[in-house]
Amino acid sequence: EPEVTQTPSHQVTQMGQEVILRCVPISNHLYFYWYRQILGQKVEFLVSFYNNEISEKSEIFDDQFSVERPDGSNFTLKIRSTKLEDSAMYFCASNNQGDSTEAFFGQGTRLTVV
Amino acid sequence: DAKTTQPPSMDCAEGRAANLPCNHSTISGNEYVYWYRQIHSQGPQYIIHGLKNNETNEMASLIITEDRKSSTLILPHATLRDTAVYYCIVRVRGGKLIFGQGTELSVKP
Repeated sequence: EPEVTQTPSHQVTQMGQEVILRCVPISNHLYFYWYRQILGQKVEFLVSFYNNEISEKSEIFDDQFSVERPDGSNFTLKIRSTKLEDSAMYFCASNNQGDSTEAFFGQGTRLTVV
Repeated sequence: DAKTTQPPSMDCAEGRAANLPCNHSTISGNEYVYWYRQIHSQGPQYIIHGLKNNETNEMASLIITEDRKSSTLILPHATLRDTAVYYCIVRVRGGKLIFGQGTELSVKP
């Protein structure tokens, strides 16, 4: 069964460093998303991406964040200068069409900023 | 932000049906109801979704009231592995999912 894969599963970084979280969505999917979940809190939407551009972003997704689909298979989330409060689980998701089809999530990357 | 209301927690005996309710009184006519679950801190797992009609798949059944203001997720024979947080989500235009606090389902032996 096709699945969304994310790497690495766990990343530890120093405050102020740049990190890139990687995702390989399901191959025929067209819509891509990043979500995050701070420990003990609910899952929060960050950004959606379609047709090689951001279609929607939340207030959390400020200038420190960027997304890219560099090669037609990978979908990345970059945090330019990490802060302690960026520590969270980051989930990538993808779906084939819009609202009417299910989005599948990866297993997440646990980002720890020290 | 969440357009749904769910009880914070529920218990269910192993082997029995688990019925998880959800209120979504402000749902619009073309918005879908989605159910996901999350076990520990794993990625949310898709369960089922529907628009107007009741739906059934290998995991669960979804019963949507005629006025679409509420729905019920049914796990017909709950197992210990079904212990998780279950999220009822009204999916907004554009496709993003807005997660609430969900219902923490505990399946007990």
